Amino acid sequence: AQKVTQAQTEISVVEKEDVTLDCVYETRDTTYYLFWYKQPPSGELVFLIRRNSFDEQNEISGRYSWNFQKSTSSFNFTITASQVVDSAVYFCALQTFNQAGTALIFGKGTTLSVSS
Amino acid sequence: GAGVSQSPSNKVTEKGKDVELRCDPISGHTALYWYRQRLGQGLEFLIYFQGNSAPDKSGLPSDRFSAERTGESVSTLTIQRTQQEDSAVYLCASSSYGTSYNEQFFGPGTRLTVL
Repeated sequence: AQKVTQAQTEISVVEKEDVTLDCVYETRDTTYYLFWYKQPPSGELVFLIRRNSFDEQNEISGRYSWNFQKSTSSFNFTITASQVVDSAVYFCALQTFNQAGTALIFGKGTTLSVSS
Repeated sequence: GAGVSQSPSNKVTEKGKDVELRCDPISGHTALYWYRQRLGQGLEFLIYFQGNSAPDKSGLPSDRFSAERTGESVSTLTIQRTQQEDSAVYLCASSSYGTSYNEQFFGPGTRLTVL
């Protein structure tokens, strides 16, 4: 079975704090992609990052960084020096690549609230 | 270029009525997906269209749900005899078949409320 688990339902932090959002996935496929999406209050899903299963290098983009560990089936997302504009629901998603165009399997999301 | 668009943005209907939701994918994108997002939940896959192939309907929750797509253009999701449990945001996404990662671009969604 394929599954994505985001154990943290809600997280509240104060501006400038660092915060890590956890994502654990399950799949038997050896080739797959992992994604993070942001859903601000406006509702539209914003793509943040894609990582394929053969690339375990961590990635940093500005205040965002991602830690992919196949050994623990985790793909965690860290926001450094959080800002109020980071307040949103964040979704982790899995896509297998045994056929092109398969649907994304989403976690239930983590709601991040950043207060000033 | 233009992104994925959906209409209407909001729909309020009475229980038992039929509704139609529309999705305009990004031009040139051959793959189109429908997802449902219930309040406080993640996205659930409903149906997938790829070119002229038979659609993958494995995510449709009941036979009250159906979807059509003409060629590689607009898609319509129809919910017959709506129930209160159908209340959700319905999101459409499109992607370009054949890319190495099939990134899906999402529309703004249609918020359906069944009274």
